[in-house]
Amino acid sequence: GAVVSQHPSWVICKSGTSVKIECRSLDFQATTMFWYRQFPKQSLMLMATSNEGSKATYEQGVEKDKFLINHASLTLSTLTVTSAHPEDSSFYICSARDPRDGGLETQYFGPGTRLLVL
Amino acid sequence: QQQVKQSPQSLIVQKGGISIINCAYENTAFDYFPWYQQFPGKGPALLIAIRPDVSEKKEGRFTISFNKSAKQFSLHIMDSQPGDSATYFCAASPFFGGGTRLMVKP
Repeated sequence: GAVVSQHPSWVICKSGTSVKIECRSLDFQATTMFWYRQFPKQSLMLMATSNEGSKATYEQGVEKDKFLINHASLTLSTLTVTSAHPEDSSFYICSARDPRDGGLETQYFGPGTRLLVL
Repeated sequence: QQQVKQSPQSLIVQKGGISIINCAYENTAFDYFPWYQQFPGKGPALLIAIRPDVSEKKEGRFTISFNKSAKQFSLHIMDSQPGDSATYFCAASPFFGGGTRLMVKP
């Protein structure tokens, strides 16, 4: 199946700093990527849907100015957590749809990025 | 964001038994219903998925049953094994259910 990578896998930062997380589709071009946040022992909460070349669509309750999403190319989407605070500490997971699936909505997930804000 | 409701939250099954996890959704616009398996510290991995024009899909020990009129679907894991112990999520793509922690006892 299609492969999605994330970088970094772990990041520790100080409160008030910004952190960028990259999501790449390695063997396909992803027109649509998704960003999720997962707190310990909880489900994946969809944060935003990212379409290449256009603005991301954020889910209700997600601050656009805090979680900046850029889908600048067909293989790369980035999530920037701006002015991070300890409550932003979480597991961030991206996924991508492979248009070669012929219209199916299969999402291929990255391995996740664990963010710890001190 | 309770687009998809999943039950039970946790499940303990003996080796060789059948694990059953249920999900329900509200929005009839959803048209892709995958199930994912997730191990601690890893991203979710697709197990099996179904479209609403099919009432059942089986892949190996995993079966999805889909009831479009009731807006419900379920995952059955036959001959459950200790290696199946993980958290399972249903989804009405791209929204996830709350997850079920499955433990299969040897």
